[in-house]
Amino acid sequence: SYVLTQPPAVSVAPGQTARITCGGNNIETKSVHWYQKKPGRAPVVVVHDDSDRPSGIPERFSGSNSGNTATLTITRVEVGDEADYYCQVWGSSRDHLWLFGGGTKLTVL
Amino acid sequence: QVQLVESGGGVVQPGRSLRLSCAASGFTFSSYAMHWVRQAPGKGLEWVAVVSYDGRDQFYTDSVKGRFTVSRDNSRNTLYLDMSGLRAEDTAVYYCARGQHQLAESHFDYWGQGALVTVSS
Repeated sequence: SYVLTQPPAVSVAPGQTARITCGGNNIETKSVHWYQKKPGRAPVVVVHDDSDRPSGIPERFSGSNSGNTATLTITRVEVGDEADYYCQVWGSSRDHLWLFGGGTKLTVL
Repeated sequence: QVQLVESGGGVVQPGRSLRLSCAASGFTFSSYAMHWVRQAPGKGLEWVAVVSYDGRDQFYTDSVKGRFTVSRDNSRNTLYLDMSGLRAEDTAVYYCARGQHQLAESHFDYWGQGALVTVSS
């Protein structure tokens, strides 16, 4: 079955740019969605359909998808961005599975 | 505004059953597929099940097939997850989440606050 691979952890200083990757076989053919998950809080979608940003999500959050890697980019990182981030795709009409990556812990130093 | 409120969580012995409910408001419930997603302690997010907007189609992750049943009552704006044969590995916070009208290529745009299910003797 399809597998999404994320780095377990990414660290960045405040004000810098964080890039979180999501690897998958030919992932560019799929729509990739990204969620922010803070402890004790419900997940929040920050980017959907590769690069669309829901209303209320800061422009600092952006997404891209090419080849075998999708990327969530957070510019001008703030302390409040510290969270776990998950990528997600829909498997296929055959599998009817919704798949998550293993998650990346973003630490703001 | 869109609200999803889960209920029914608790502590249950292995092998027993439990029903989770998710009360929806602030949108036309019958127009959207609805999902259950869980997060075990210290683990990542795991999709569990989906029911189509009209309740006709249901799909499950392999580990719960034959044990869990997802359903909905569009007249009551409520989503359900009936869990039977519970195992320790089912211990998790269970979230209901709104999908889109179509199942394909969809994501979860609103989430409830979650219901904790603990399976333990």
